[in-house]
Amino acid sequence: AQSVTQLGSHVSVSEGALVLLRCNYSSSVPPYLFWYVQYPNQGLQLLLKYTSAATLVKGINGFEAEFKKSETSFHLTKPSAHMSDAAEYFCAVSARDDKIIFGKGTRLHILP
Amino acid sequence: DAGVIQSPRHEVTEMGQEVTLRCKPISGHNSLFWYRQTMMRGLELLIYFNNNVPIDDSGMPEDRFSAKMPNASFSTLKIQPSEPRDSAVYFCASSSPGYGNQPQHFGDGTRLSIL
Repeated sequence: AQSVTQLGSHVSVSEGALVLLRCNYSSSVPPYLFWYVQYPNQGLQLLLKYTSAATLVKGINGFEAEFKKSETSFHLTKPSAHMSDAAEYFCAVSARDDKIIFGKGTRLHILP
Repeated sequence: DAGVIQSPRHEVTEMGQEVTLRCKPISGHNSLFWYRQTMMRGLELLIYFNNNVPIDDSGMPEDRFSAKMPNASFSTLKIQPSEPRDSAVYFCASSSPGYGNQPQHFGDGTRLSIL
């Protein structure tokens, strides 16, 4: 069975500081992994995805994530936070079928 | 390109009434998903269709909920009778053919309030 665990339901960083959102996955097969972002009153939008090509994946809005098989991790980072990054972020895993299993989400707060 | 379109965006109704939520997936996508999001339970998958056929409805909470996909461009989620605990944001998502490597594209959701 597939699952993801997001560490920290709320994360606060100062504007301009590094953003690090943690995600660990469990999968019985080589996984496909995703990060989504949800802004208020909107649906989830894809930030980036890992599908067994390069382990460092670059996404939109300056975000990137690194797949580390030995650590079963897929942490999301951005070098410098912007106020517009305040949102909820979801890590997700697919087991090579149509279903995607989502984590519980991490709400990112940006401090001025 | 048009994204996933959901209607209505907001619905307020009284307990016991029938509620119908509608979704138009992205053209060419063959998988469609219905989710429910609440503060307490987070994002829950209710049901998903592949090529208009329901594949997994294990997330449908009870018999009051039903979903249909009569064709590739339309799906409905119906609640009858509605209860206050059904209040949530309901999302529809669709994805193109693949082996799990295709992302899901979400609509903006229907915010449902049952009084």
